[in-house]
Amino acid sequence: EDQVTQSPEALRLQEGESSSLNCSYTVSGLRGLFWYRQDPGKGPEFLFTLYSAGEEKEKERLKATLTKKESFLHITAPKPEDSATYLCAVQELGPGNQFYFGTGTSLTVIP
Amino acid sequence: DGGITQSPKYLFRKEGQNVTLSCEQNLNHDAMYWYRQDPGQGLRLIYYSQIVNDFQKGDIAEGYSVSREKKESFPLTVTSAQKNPTAFYLCASSTGFWSNYGYTFGSGTRLTVV
Repeated sequence: EDQVTQSPEALRLQEGESSSLNCSYTVSGLRGLFWYRQDPGKGPEFLFTLYSAGEEKEKERLKATLTKKESFLHITAPKPEDSATYLCAVQELGPGNQFYFGTGTSLTVIP
Repeated sequence: DGGITQSPKYLFRKEGQNVTLSCEQNLNHDAMYWYRQDPGQGLRLIYYSQIVNDFQKGDIAEGYSVSREKKESFPLTVTSAQKNPTAFYLCASSTGFWSNYGYTFGSGTRLTVV
């Protein structure tokens, strides 16, 4: 059973065309939800941590929000340099405090 | 600059050969992790270590081994028992299992079986 599902798998946007990426999760207790950016051939880079429903975090053109079952990464007026794969991960409360990663959304922003 | 260094960036393994991937961090982080990344799959945990001289198996530890003799270093050996080792391997570290800042990742090692 998938604990973290990201959609869409791939997204192509025109420069300046705003959109949202989705991360839905199913864990018994959420300790935190993490967003990362990964460029081709490189390791993921930390963006945000969200802990509770209703929380929002912003960084430049990115804004992450959290509900009880999903998180959205909103991209406002994207630029070509925002092209990357965006990964979502959840840390579960409980024995082992497991991390579960989604498969990512590959974003391409066309000039 | 503080960070995690993985080497080599590319590695080729022959059938039946053991290979070791290096991971060094100068962030003074206690916890270190090894993940495997395959196309279309999320990152999968191989091994993790929260303190020196102690490590735990992750979800896909079979065919892999690790050591944690120093806080800064967490090498991963891919043994001949790992039947499908071709993948992108990521090393990560954090201040602890409850880090508020997630993981800091290295730049990865791409391993290919030839």
